[in-house]
Amino acid sequence: AQRVTQPEKLLSVFKGAPVELKCNYSYSGSPELFWYVQYSRQRLQLLLRHISRESIKGFTADLNKGETSFHLKKPFAQEEDSAMYYCALRSNAGNMLTFGGGTRLMVKP
Amino acid sequence: DAGVTQSPTHLIKTRGQHVTLRCSPISGHKSVSWYQQVLGQGPQFIFQYYEKEERGRGNFPDRFSARQFPNYSSELNVNALLLGDSALYLCASSLSSGDTDTQYFGPGTRLTVL
Repeated sequence: AQRVTQPEKLLSVFKGAPVELKCNYSYSGSPELFWYVQYSRQRLQLLLRHISRESIKGFTADLNKGETSFHLKKPFAQEEDSAMYYCALRSNAGNMLTFGGGTRLMVKP
Repeated sequence: DAGVTQSPTHLIKTRGQHVTLRCSPISGHKSVSWYQQVLGQGPQFIFQYYEKEERGRGNFPDRFSARQFPNYSSELNVNALLLGDSALYLCASSLSSGDTDTQYFGPGTRLTVL
């Protein structure tokens, strides 16, 4: 069975500080990993996917198959980064997403 | 394009009742997926439909059913509502059911069961 774990429910940092949101997964095959973000009063939207290896809004995430992790990082947090972040896994057997429980990021001024 | 749309926005029902939630995908998208998001948790997969056929089903009881129409819109039906069915129900659309397609989410329907 596939599973995604986000160990932190809440992460609070000051503006300009580095941010790392943790994500660990369990899946026996070759998964595809995503980070979705939900800003206040907005819908869930894709932030980035490991397969594209791109940086969005200064965020990056590297898939570490050895540690089965896909942590989201940003060197300097901004107040507008405050949101709910969800890590998700898609198996190679279809387009079903398995989400973690989410981490609320609060960036204080 | 307005993106994925869902109706109604909010809904209040009592235990034992039936509910129908509706979703219109992004124009050109042929696949619709449904997710349940209980307060404080991440979304949980319920169904995926592509070209009017069920392509995937999550671990939900038979009280949950869905269908997709020729215009690719979709309905999620829940019978014999329980208090535990209270949640935000999200619809997501994608171009196809393939495992390379990004899913785009709607705003959700907030269901409260009293």
